[in-house]
Amino acid sequence: GQQVMQIPQYQHVQEGEDFTTYCNSSTTLSNIQWYKQRPGGHPVFLIQLVKSGEVKKQKRLTFQFGEAKKNSSLHITATQTTDVGTYFCAGPGQAGTALIFGKGTTLSVSS
Amino acid sequence: SQTIHQWPATLVQPVGSPLSLECTVEGTSNPNLYWYRQAAGRGLQLLFYSVGIGQISSEVPQNLSASRPQDRQFILSSKKLLLSDSGFYLCAWSKRLGDTEAFFGQGTRLTVV
Repeated sequence: GQQVMQIPQYQHVQEGEDFTTYCNSSTTLSNIQWYKQRPGGHPVFLIQLVKSGEVKKQKRLTFQFGEAKKNSSLHITATQTTDVGTYFCAGPGQAGTALIFGKGTTLSVSS
Repeated sequence: SQTIHQWPATLVQPVGSPLSLECTVEGTSNPNLYWYRQAAGRGLQLLFYSVGIGQISSEVPQNLSASRPQDRQFILSSKKLLLSDSGFYLCAWSKRLGDTEAFFGQGTRLTVV
């Protein structure tokens, strides 16, 4: 079946360093979404990418969708302690069904 | 505005006992509804989704079941819990299936002892 893979599983950075998480799908995606889950919380939607090669920015966060629409990345510039949490990518399942989530990348930041 | 309610927040149940988790959505009609499970430190596993009343799609064979008795109500059940059923259960809804953002409830942390 369709798989959405994310790397790395864990990442620890010093405050101010950059951070990147990568997402790869076994199939072409119509769209990819990114979510953030704070420790003890629930996933919260960050952004959706739809077009091939699309790049979107939200303040220090930059999201990219690959040309083949099978991979994506989230880059955080100059991390802050508020960036701590698990970042998930998600894409529609086969035949456009419910979102399938990657296993997530857990980011920890030390000041 | 739309809101999603999920309860209880935490639950400790003995092995072999039944389970019923409820989720309701307000402020929208005909939502797509989902149940996900998150094991400790792991990703989100899709368990069930529903596109309408009485319509349930199961993604993972297990001893859990789901029902949608009303448009905005989604219930996750088990007749006999296993230790492996422990985890963080999340209900979510979206306007369309797979291509619009999903809104999650606060989650239920289930511990089977």
